[in-house]
Amino acid sequence: GESVGLHLPTLSVQEGDNSIINCAYSNSASDYFIWYKQESGKGPQFIIDIRSNMDKRQGQRVTVLLNKTVKHLSLQIAATQPGDSAVYFCAETVNTGGFKTIFGAGTRLFVKA
Amino acid sequence: DAMVIQNPRYQVTQFGKPVTLSCSQTLNHNVMYWYQQKSSQAPKLLFHYYDKDFNNEADTPDNFQSRRPNTSFCFLDIRSPGLGDAAMYLCATSPTPTSGRFYEQYFGPGTRLTVT
Repeated sequence: GESVGLHLPTLSVQEGDNSIINCAYSNSASDYFIWYKQESGKGPQFIIDIRSNMDKRQGQRVTVLLNKTVKHLSLQIAATQPGDSAVYFCAETVNTGGFKTIFGAGTRLFVKA
Repeated sequence: DAMVIQNPRYQVTQFGKPVTLSCSQTLNHNVMYWYQQKSSQAPKLLFHYYDKDFNNEADTPDNFQSRRPNTSFCFLDIRSPGLGDAAMYLCATSPTPTSGRFYEQYFGPGTRLTVT
């Protein structure tokens, strides 16, 4: 279902370290899973997606892992940079006749220089 | 550059005074969405258009309406804003569902609405 929350989970990492952001999703029938990055004062920006028939996908400095058994999605960011500081949302796309995207609760990533 | 544009970026309205937020896109996408995002929360889908077909979310209040006069423009009308409607309103687009990347949404920068 829709996420409801007043406080974002926060992850604080040192510049240069790897970051892992986790997400639990709700719908076993979801077709695609997507990670979005939202910087302060901006709209969400697409980072990477993974189809439900895959368990790993790599992009530039980012890797998404999907574990359908436990309905878990993770985003790994290698060599985290200050520009990676943002709120990260996972999203799942479900075919409901049309396609509907449901956003997860979000995680705030702080990168310490 | 192809993009999603929202105007204004900041809007202040009075309690009960109708307000319209606008969105335009140069991506020529078939699908346009309106989301409401409150502080520290995920975007919440209000409704979307697939071309001219309007799709309302079941829990979107009647106070929220939308118009899409053509492919490029979409408007969000709030008929009688309440204090609880203060939020960031995000417009997004995506290609037709029959395209390869229909699930990828392109967001505008948002309009932050303040209700006084």
